[in-house]
Amino acid sequence: GQQVMQIPQYQHVQEGEDFTTYCNSSTTLSNIQWYKQRPGGHPVFLIQLVKSGEVKKQKRLTFQFGEAKKNSSLHITATQTTDVGTYFCAGVGSQGNLIFGKGTKLSVKP
Amino acid sequence: DGGITQSPKYLFRKEGQNVTLSCEQNLNHDAMYWYRQDPGQGLRLIYYSQIVNDFQKGDIAEGYSVSREKKESFPLTVTSAQKNPTAFYLCASSIYLMDQPQHFGDGTRLSIL
Repeated sequence: GQQVMQIPQYQHVQEGEDFTTYCNSSTTLSNIQWYKQRPGGHPVFLIQLVKSGEVKKQKRLTFQFGEAKKNSSLHITATQTTDVGTYFCAGVGSQGNLIFGKGTKLSVKP
Repeated sequence: DGGITQSPKYLFRKEGQNVTLSCEQNLNHDAMYWYRQDPGQGLRLIYYSQIVNDFQKGDIAEGYSVSREKKESFPLTVTSAQKNPTAFYLCASSIYLMDQPQHFGDGTRLSIL
């Protein structure tokens, strides 16, 4: 079945270092969404990318959608302790449902 | 404030018992969803509903049932047929289509006694 693979599963960084998580799909996606889940919390929608090659920025976060619309990435510049959490990508499947990746758990050492 | 309310926050189930998790939204969203989250796993779709009185099975519907009698409410019943029910259950909603951004409730953590 359709899958959305996300790597790495875990990432430990020193505060101030950069962080990137990657998302890959076996099929072309109509759009991709990114969510953040803080420890003990629920996923919160961050952004949606729709166009091929699209790049969007939110302060220190940069989101990219690949040219073939099969991959995406989230890059955080100069991580802070407030960035701690699990970041999920989610692509729209053939039935129109969202398929979530397993997430990348980010920990930041002060 | 608009949002999604899930209750209870923690729930304990005895063997052979059915339990129902509540999900209410006041966002006027048409679509609602139930996900299951296990440690180290992503969100797996249990059931979804795009309109009142209609719902569809997701990837892991076995052992679960839902109803959608009102637009605002989408309760999930974890039946005794679900052999491994211990998990974090998340309810979500979106405006209409499934590819729209989803808003999540705070979740219900279900454990087996």
